[in-house]
Amino acid sequence: LAKTTQPISMDSYEGQEVNITCSHNNIATNDYITWYQQFPSQGPRFIIQGYKTKVTNEVASLFIPADRKSSTLSLPRVSLSDTAVYYCLVGDWGYSTLTFGKGTMLLVSP
Amino acid sequence: EAGVAQSPRYKIIEKRQSVAFWCNPISGHATLYWYQQILGQGPKLLIQFQNNGVVDDSQLPKDRFSAERLKGVDSTLKIQPAKLEDSAVYLCASSPGANTQYFGPGTRLTVL
Repeated sequence: LAKTTQPISMDSYEGQEVNITCSHNNIATNDYITWYQQFPSQGPRFIIQGYKTKVTNEVASLFIPADRKSSTLSLPRVSLSDTAVYYCLVGDWGYSTLTFGKGTMLLVSP
Repeated sequence: EAGVAQSPRYKIIEKRQSVAFWCNPISGHATLYWYQQILGQGPKLLIQFQNNGVVDDSQLPKDRFSAERLKGVDSTLKIQPAKLEDSAVYLCASSPGANTQYFGPGTRLTVL
């Protein structure tokens, strides 16, 4: 299983763009990159998933360089409600086991 | 679409007692997961079911934890007997595949 490394915490202000980078140096050919968001007292929530280049949805963008050894979750114009823990996971397409790390605690201030 | 349901939401027991958690996945999701999340850490997979068969239970403490998914729908996770270090949130998730998991609200267990 590919191991991921991400910052323990990040601080931002409302209205700013936040970029959270995740390293996954030993990602396998069949692995996809998935990001989850978790608020206190709730289960993680799927944000975005990608394999290469760039993926965008209504919530975030995911940038993946050609070597796929890292990925960056981009949250445009964050608000206070984006304060949460963000997890980066890698795993192959299918039913493989995903391993959660400690995630990145994002704190958005007024 | 209804989400993943879990009950109870909170449970307080004394050590050496038994406890059971219930999960109802999203309709049609073949894969079901149980995770343990200790405060300040990411979720740790305990067991993964594909329909009613076990795919991965390598991190399940089998001397005290057990889980079943009869008929490939609902699932129950049991701890018997509980230890202090079992205090955590127990999360159930289901998936239609492709690594997109949908999590329930969790059950917060406190062992005294």
